[in-house]
Order: sequence, then C-alpha cells, then structure tokens
Amino acid sequence: GAVVSQHPSWVICKSGTSVKIECRSLDFQATTMFWYRQFPKQSLMLMATSNEGSKATYEQGVEKDKFLINHASLTLSTLTVTSAHPEDSSFYICSAATGTEIQETQYFGPGTRLLVL
Amino acid sequence: AQKITQTQPGMFVQEKEAVTLDCTYDTSDPSYGLFWYKQPSSGEMIFLIYQGSYDQQNATEGRYSLNFQKARKSANLVISASQLGDSAMYFCAMLGGTSYGKLTFGQGTILTVHP
Repeated sequence: GAVVSQHPSWVICKSGTSVKIECRSLDFQATTMFWYRQFPKQSLMLMATSNEGSKATYEQGVEKDKFLINHASLTLSTLTVTSAHPEDSSFYICSAATGTEIQETQYFGPGTRLLVL
Repeated sequence: AQKITQTQPGMFVQEKEAVTLDCTYDTSDPSYGLFWYKQPSSGEMIFLIYQGSYDQQNATEGRYSLNFQKARKSANLVISASQLGDSAMYFCAMLGGTSYGKLTFGQGTILTVHP
C-alpha cells in the first residue's frame, strides 16, 4: 500500500520557537495533502488543504500566519508552527491523496507529537 | 454540510467474537464515499475499508465488513473474530462529492478486546 512518512515523529521545543514538520509520500505522487491536529482521545480536526504549487486552503479558525504550509513538490508538504506556545502542543497528522474524488483513499502519515514547554 | 456520528465512545468485545461499530452520516451530496480507519495507541491512521454510495454490495476486506444501509444513512463496521491487536480507536469518515477531498470524521469509538 501507499506509504506516507512524517518527520520528526516527536518534537519538544521551547515556547516562542518555530517547528517544521515534513510530510512525504514515498511511493506515489500526491496532488493533495491534508494537515490535521488531534487532541488526546478526540477526533481529527482538519487544519488545511495543500495542493502542489499553490497556496494552502485553511479551515475556518486556523491562523494561516501561525501554521505555514508549503507544498513544494508532489511528494513533500511541510507544516511550520511559528512562535509555538504550549497550547499548540498536539498530535499533528498529514495525509496524502492522488486526487479529490470520493473514491480516493487518503493515506496518513504516522503523525508528529509536538510538546511546547 | 456533512456530518458523521459515532455514538459509541467505547466498546468491549471478547477475543474471537464479532463486534459492530456504529456510524451514521448526513450529507446532501448524491455521491459520497465512506471510510473506516483504525488508530492504535501509536497514533498512526490505518485505512480499513471503503464503501461508495453507489456500490451495490457491502464492502468486505478480510475480517472487516461494512454494513451499508443507504436509506438509514448508516455505515457500520463489523469486525469478525476479534483479536487482541484490534484494540484501538476506530474512526468513520466521509468524503462528499463536493468536499474537494476533505474527509469528515466521526468522534471515534475506542474498542477494547478482552482475552
């Protein structure tokens, strides 16, 4: 099956620093990548949709200046949490799809746990 | 707007028995897809099964089957012969024809398999 990787898997940082998370589709080209955050024992909340070569589309309530998303190639998208604060501590998951049709399965990365001290 | 509802926060099942995880949905899209994902404690989301709204037959993948009742707008996941490794959080999700790839997730159900 399709493989999506995320790096790093764990990150601990000081308040005020920026953290970059990478999402790669290893064996397929992803025209669309999605970024989610998940709090413990809760569902996934979509943050933004990322299409290669264009600006990301953010969900309502997500600060685009705080969560910078870049989709530079068909296999790589990055999420940068700028000036991270403790309330940004969460589990961030990316997913990748070859298209947006209803039968397109999204393949998820293993997730990145962010802890901001 | 689309909505997915999972009304079972937690379920318990004995090893080797079958279990049904409930999922109901609401959408105005005539075409849609329904997905089930498993999330173990490690956090990774594992794709289990897919059902298209126009599919005539219920989807099956090994021990997983999807009981799709379109008129009732339900898409329950049935896991047969439960194994200890099935203990995890399970999410039902939907992709509508006008969603542009955005999945809508349910609240999730924590399944615990007892030996």
